[in-house]
Amino acid sequence: DQQVKQNSPSLSVQEGRISILNCDYTNSMFDYFLWYKKYPAEGPTFLISISSIKDKNEDGRFTVFLNKSAKHLSLHIVPSQPGDSAVYFCAVQGRDDKIIFGKGTRLHILP
Amino acid sequence: GAGVSQTPSNKVTEKGKYVELRCDPISGHTALYWYRQSLGQGPEFLIYFQGTGAADDSGLPNDRFFAVRPEGSVSTLKIQRTERGDSAVYLCASSLGTSGSRQFFGPGTRLTVL
Repeated sequence: DQQVKQNSPSLSVQEGRISILNCDYTNSMFDYFLWYKKYPAEGPTFLISISSIKDKNEDGRFTVFLNKSAKHLSLHIVPSQPGDSAVYFCAVQGRDDKIIFGKGTRLHILP
Repeated sequence: GAGVSQTPSNKVTEKGKYVELRCDPISGHTALYWYRQSLGQGPEFLIYFQGTGAADDSGLPNDRFFAVRPEGSVSTLKIQRTERGDSAVYLCASSLGTSGSRQFFGPGTRLTVL
């Protein structure tokens, strides 16, 4: 059974608008929640993370929100830019440092 | 280069053959991870090294898969008697090895088993 679920395989957003990517997880024992970005033929690149003791972390255009009671994580990108078009993986990391990834959401930024 | 490198970038082999995939981690990173990404899926954990020893190999699918890291730097993932279902992108990542430290991924090796 999937521990990390990204229910939207793809998302299209107009350039300049806000992109919101969502993720649900099943286990409350994770220490860190992560977002990775992946371009074709490249490995995943770390984007932003949040510790389980926080509910928001912001880094420039990227903000991650954590709702522990709902076991829900979201990534907000504002304003969206053409270079943001990529596959975004939600992931969780426990004390054993293994990362468990979701299936990814392909984000298309439309001109 | 400063990043994680993996060779070859692409490998095509026939069913039943043996393959080796190589990973060069970032210098100074003590932790090294192998993941496998099948089509339409996210990367899935295979094995984790802390130094030379395999700290966790619970993700290896069966005994045809084996990985080594003899000197605590370069790692080789070995797959015996390859099957078509082994076709995937094999990703390597490294980190400083402290709890919660960021993992940096290589570009991956795309393995195709015909």
